[in-house]
Amino acid sequence: KQEVTQIPAALSVPEGENLVLNCSFTDSAIYNLQWFRQDPGKGLTSLLLIQSSQREQTSGRLNASLDKSSGRSTLYIAASQPGDSATYLCAVQTGANNLFFGTGTRLTVIP
Amino acid sequence: DAMVIQNPRYQVTQFGKPVTLSCSQTLNHNVMYWYQQKSSQAPKLLFHYYDKDFNNEADTPDNFQSRRPNTSFCFLDIRSPGLGDAAMYLCATSRARTAVSEKLFFGSGTQLSVL
Repeated sequence: KQEVTQIPAALSVPEGENLVLNCSFTDSAIYNLQWFRQDPGKGLTSLLLIQSSQREQTSGRLNASLDKSSGRSTLYIAASQPGDSATYLCAVQTGANNLFFGTGTRLTVIP
Repeated sequence: DAMVIQNPRYQVTQFGKPVTLSCSQTLNHNVMYWYQQKSSQAPKLLFHYYDKDFNNEADTPDNFQSRRPNTSFCFLDIRSPGLGDAAMYLCATSRARTAVSEKLFFGSGTQLSVL
């Protein structure tokens, strides 16, 4: 069964810093990997989707990479802002039409 | 401009009292999902509908059922809620089934409390 791990569980950085969030998964037979943002007590907002054949995707200050063979993905956030404070979850989609989620990294950007 | 709408935002029910959570979508997507997310845990898939084709995850408790009367609406019924069912329930949609480029669109969730 697919298992998704995110490290660290929590991260605090001063405003303006660049940072990297990590995600690893155990089964490389995936359709895609997605990164989501979740604000406290809210639903999930899709940030980036990387197809299994792709290596990275970029949106604004966000860049996500995928190394399927090693079962790893990173989310790079450039020039962090207090508004980036949230929990970031990665999820891999398998052929069983299921998204397997990690437990997330809770990011705090300190003004 | 909300595309996936969940009601209510907060739901309080009593132990053993049936409760229904609702989800509607304006995206005309074929697939609708229900996820359960307990505090500090990963969301866990309970069911999904591809059009009217219902798919139940193997470890979803029998206490949970779902209905999809039309494309736009989907309901989650909890027949006899227990304390362990207190969680955030997330509804999501996607245009098609498994595909390399299919994004999921989530609602804001319903936070269920069981007293």
